[in-house]
Amino acid sequence: DAGVTQSPTHLIKTRGQQVTLRCSPKSGHDTVSWYQQALGQGPQFIFQYYEEEERQRGNFPDRFSGHQFPNYSSELNVNALLLGDSALYLCASQTGGADQPQHFGDGTRLSIL
Amino acid sequence: AQSVTQLDSHVSVSEGTPVLLRCNYSSSYSPSLFWYVQHPNKGLQLLLKYTSAATLVKGINGFEAEFKKSETSFHLTKPSAHMSDAAEYFCVVSEPTGFQKLVFGTGTRLLVSP
Repeated sequence: DAGVTQSPTHLIKTRGQQVTLRCSPKSGHDTVSWYQQALGQGPQFIFQYYEEEERQRGNFPDRFSGHQFPNYSSELNVNALLLGDSALYLCASQTGGADQPQHFGDGTRLSIL
Repeated sequence: AQSVTQLDSHVSVSEGTPVLLRCNYSSSYSPSLFWYVQHPNKGLQLLLKYTSAATLVKGINGFEAEFKKSETSFHLTKPSAHMSDAAEYFCVVSEPTGFQKLVFGTGTRLLVSP
């Protein structure tokens, strides 16, 4: 049973560019959340998708956007990249209620030059 | 708003000795609390969760945590450390609402020496 898978594993971009990160949730999961983890910090919540709609958002600018597809997979898009966007981006999936644990992928390491 | 404070940024133990990682939480609601572990260049793995059932929660790999409402604490313990336990540990809180936004602590790096 495959867990949460993310692609690519590593990515290098330059300032001002745009990037798309992808996530496939664990089988049977219908909710996907995205987190940004800067070096030496804990993950910070970006947003969560359920039934193809964003249903909660953290304190991130509109440059960060996402999408969820009918098969529950998800994309995170970041426009006008800044040096400060360099981080590990984690995708997590879950099913059921708020007390169900989130399962995390190994992340995409994004480096901005 | 809910938050967690991990009281130690680094904890060093010897293999075979007990582990204690400290976490205090703040929440307006009856919280759900989690401990996650992150090995280098890896995602997060759930160790255990508390969701208002038993206050002593047993997790994977011999870890357990005790929810103490009077102290607003959720400390993680293990009787005997193993070299493979060396990793970053995160205490996490979420509100028991219809969806789950996780709020992470800043992490505790556990170092295990032979």
